[in-house]
Amino acid sequence: QKEVEQNSGPLSVPEGAIASLNCTYSDRGSQSFFWYRQYSGKSPELIMSIYSNGDKEDGRFTAQLNKASQYVSLLIRDSQPSDSATYLCAVADSNYQLIWGAGTKLIIKP
Amino acid sequence: DAGVTQSPTHLIKTRGQQVTLRCSPISGHKSVSWYQQVLGQGPQFIFQYYEKEERGRGNFPDRFSARQFPNYSSELNVNALLLGDSALYLCASTSPDRSYEQYFGPGTRLTVT
Repeated sequence: QKEVEQNSGPLSVPEGAIASLNCTYSDRGSQSFFWYRQYSGKSPELIMSIYSNGDKEDGRFTAQLNKASQYVSLLIRDSQPSDSATYLCAVADSNYQLIWGAGTKLIIKP
Repeated sequence: DAGVTQSPTHLIKTRGQQVTLRCSPISGHKSVSWYQQVLGQGPQFIFQYYEKEERGRGNFPDRFSARQFPNYSSELNVNALLLGDSALYLCASTSPDRSYEQYFGPGTRLTVT
């Protein structure tokens, strides 16, 4: 069974620090990887997508992919209280359907 | 362009009843996926439609059905509602390029009493 694993948290990070979120996946054939942010009671919002090994940066966010280790991470620099949310990792399978992790709750402490 | 829209936003039903949820994708997007999300879990895949054809179905009972219309909007139907069907139902449309990025609507909060 295809799985995506995330630490449920909560992960508590001081304001201004770097938050590091991690995700592992089981399907070696996966080619597309996504990070979504979800505020309580709201729907998921796409914040990063990554398809190749290495780093991809967008503003304060950096996604990192290592296909050999089947590992995806999201770094948030200069963390702000507004970054407090649940972060969901999603991996597209060979049918381009998304397999989701349960999410990591991130708390940024002022 | 407008994002993904869903209706209704909230719904309260009684066990045994039937419900229909509606979704309109982003203009130009031809694929729609439905997900169920219960508190504390990630979204669970229910259906994916592309060009009015079912492309995939998750591990949900036959009480769940869906369809896609010529304008690419979609409906999710759930029959014989159970208390366990209470959840946030999410619709996502998929980017038409090769990125397979999915964009979500606001969701429909279904409560079954």
